[in-house]
Amino acid sequence: QVQLVESGGGVVQPGRSLRLSCAASGFAFSSYAMHWVRQAPGKGLEWVAAILYDGSNKFYADSVKGRFAISRDNSKNTLYLEMNSLRAEDTAVYYCASTDGVATPGYFDYWGQGNLVSVSS
Amino acid sequence: QSVLTQPPSASGTPGQRVTIPCSGSSSNIGSNSVYWYQQLAGTAPKLLIYRNNQRPSGVPDRFSGSKSGTSASLAISGLRSEDEADYYCAAWDGSLRGRVFGGGTKLTVL
Repeated sequence: QVQLVESGGGVVQPGRSLRLSCAASGFAFSSYAMHWVRQAPGKGLEWVAAILYDGSNKFYADSVKGRFAISRDNSKNTLYLEMNSLRAEDTAVYYCASTDGVATPGYFDYWGQGNLVSVSS
Repeated sequence: QSVLTQPPSASGTPGQRVTIPCSGSSSNIGSNSVYWYQQLAGTAPKLLIYRNNQRPSGVPDRFSGSKSGTSASLAISGLRSEDEADYYCAAWDGSLRGRVFGGGTKLTVL
């Protein structure tokens, strides 16, 4: 079955960096687009970034553009999110998700269990 | 402030039909498909509706989606206690070149 497992979260000071990973299994990882979506405590969902199946195109929310970088290693079935210059408002549970496309995906839509990132001094 | 607008709350009694609206603009709902997610407390979101009105396998036909112009809605008929959750609409925004979500609607089954 499809599994997405996030790791790398934790507590980090403002201005520092952190890298999240998402290990995928149970499907052809290299054929699907991947996303990062976050949810601040008690708040709604916020899309963060997406990357096409082959890494050829990347998309970012304005709130993280220039600070975060999404990447993937299809040989390791792993998605990454490099987060720099972290701010308190980046505190959230970060989910990775897989879809069969970015703009108009179909029914293939799976999410990990989420990983908490807390930015605090 | 979310790009897509949803009411923060909705409620209904068991067996009732409830509708959750989602309002956007020409750059998102007006020109791209709408998706609906259900998030039960403490869990990851689950896809309920894709491409405006399609249900993934396993989603009961009590859930239905529709879209007209720059607005969309999710209807839940035969409301059940297990439907109590947060519901989010989403769409691709061609101007922002990214996915946008609604602020979420907390559904309470009275």
